[in-house]
Amino acid sequence: GESVGLHLPTLSVQEGDNSIINCAYSNSASDYFIWYKQESGKGPQFIIDIRSNMDKRQGQRVTVLLNKTVKHLSLQIAATQPGDSAVYFCAERHSWGKLQFGAGTQVVVTP
Amino acid sequence: DVKVTQSSRYLVKRTGEKVFLECVQDMDHENMFWYRQDPGLGLRLIYFSYDVKMKEKGDIPEGYSVSREKKERFSLILESASTNQTSMYLCASSQGQGGQPQHFGDGTRLSIL
Repeated sequence: GESVGLHLPTLSVQEGDNSIINCAYSNSASDYFIWYKQESGKGPQFIIDIRSNMDKRQGQRVTVLLNKTVKHLSLQIAATQPGDSAVYFCAERHSWGKLQFGAGTQVVVTP
Repeated sequence: DVKVTQSSRYLVKRTGEKVFLECVQDMDHENMFWYRQDPGLGLRLIYFSYDVKMKEKGDIPEGYSVSREKKERFSLILESASTNQTSMYLCASSQGQGGQPQHFGDGTRLSIL
């Protein structure tokens, strides 16, 4: 079956460094991808999205890269801050309105 | 900003009870969704609705039903609660035919004893 996965369940990053969170997807029909951040006790918060006709999109301190050749998605966070500590989810859309989520990556920012 | 409000943060019910989880959004979004979130499994879609009185099954609809009588409100119903329905339940909404991005509430942690 199709799946969305994450390479690392936990990512430890030093404050000020750049973070890279990776995600693999297997459904070549997926046309939209999205990253969410979930802090403890809160619901997922939208970070950034990208359509399949793009390979890069930038937001404030975040960049999403899409490599359709190898079916890979990544989220880069520049100058990681303590407030970036959270679980990050990638998700893909392969049918209307429905997102398939990965299990999530815990990012821990150390001083 | 989009605000999705779930009526309860924590809820404890007993096996066999009928349980209602309520969700309200204030952005006039057409689409609303119910997920459950379990450790190691990510978010799994239970039901969604793209219009008032319309509903579609998600990936794990068994044991659940939904109601959408008004555009802003989407209710999840556990007809006869069981212990395996203990979970975090998340509601989301989105606008437009593309249905993205979805905006989430802060969740209801439901325990079935």
